[in-house]
Amino acid sequence: GNSVTQMEGPVTLSEEAFLTINCTYTATGYPSLFWYVQYPGEGLQLLLKATKADDKGSNKGFEATYRKETTSFHLEKGSVQVSDSAVYFCALTHWTNNDMRFGAGTRLTVKP
Amino acid sequence: SQTIHQWPATLVQPVGSPLSLECTVEGTSNPNLYWYRQAAGRGLQLLFYSVGIGQISSEVPQNLSASRPQDRQFILSSKKLLLSDSGFYLCAWGGGTGTNTEAFFGQGTRLTVV
Repeated sequence: GNSVTQMEGPVTLSEEAFLTINCTYTATGYPSLFWYVQYPGEGLQLLLKATKADDKGSNKGFEATYRKETTSFHLEKGSVQVSDSAVYFCALTHWTNNDMRFGAGTRLTVKP
Repeated sequence: SQTIHQWPATLVQPVGSPLSLECTVEGTSNPNLYWYRQAAGRGLQLLFYSVGIGQISSEVPQNLSASRPQDRQFILSSKKLLLSDSGFYLCAWGGGTGTNTEAFFGQGTRLTVV
């Protein structure tokens, strides 16, 4: 079945540091890929998405590129802020089976 | 625009008591609906999903059940709660077969079984 594997946390960075959170997936065909963010006590919010190979999703300084050859969708940000502290989830959807699968989540803490 | 409502936000229930969490969606028709559980410090576990009224698929055997009495209503229930049912429960909706849309989440219910 479809699955998502993402880098385990927690990740602690200083403000303005570079962020990478790795995500790889297993799926047949062409899923869509997503990154969601969860702030404390809240539900998940969509951060960015990519629907086909080589697409780059971007939002709020975050970026991720859909790499079919490596089945990856790594999240990056060039300079993190304290307000980026949250849990980040990599996810995929696949239209053939109504599947929505999430990675285990990576907790990011950014210190001033 | 589409919105999703989930309640209550927090709930403290004794072991052995029943549970009913409700989720409703507005602004869309025939959505796929999902219930996830997030245990403390862990990822999202898919519990149930529904592609239509009365159609429920269970991902893992457990102490919980789900029902979809109306197109935009999804209910998570238990007859007798266990301590291990504690967690953060999230309802979500997403596109159906033929679409690869993202998921839209409710604000979650924090359940503590004591």
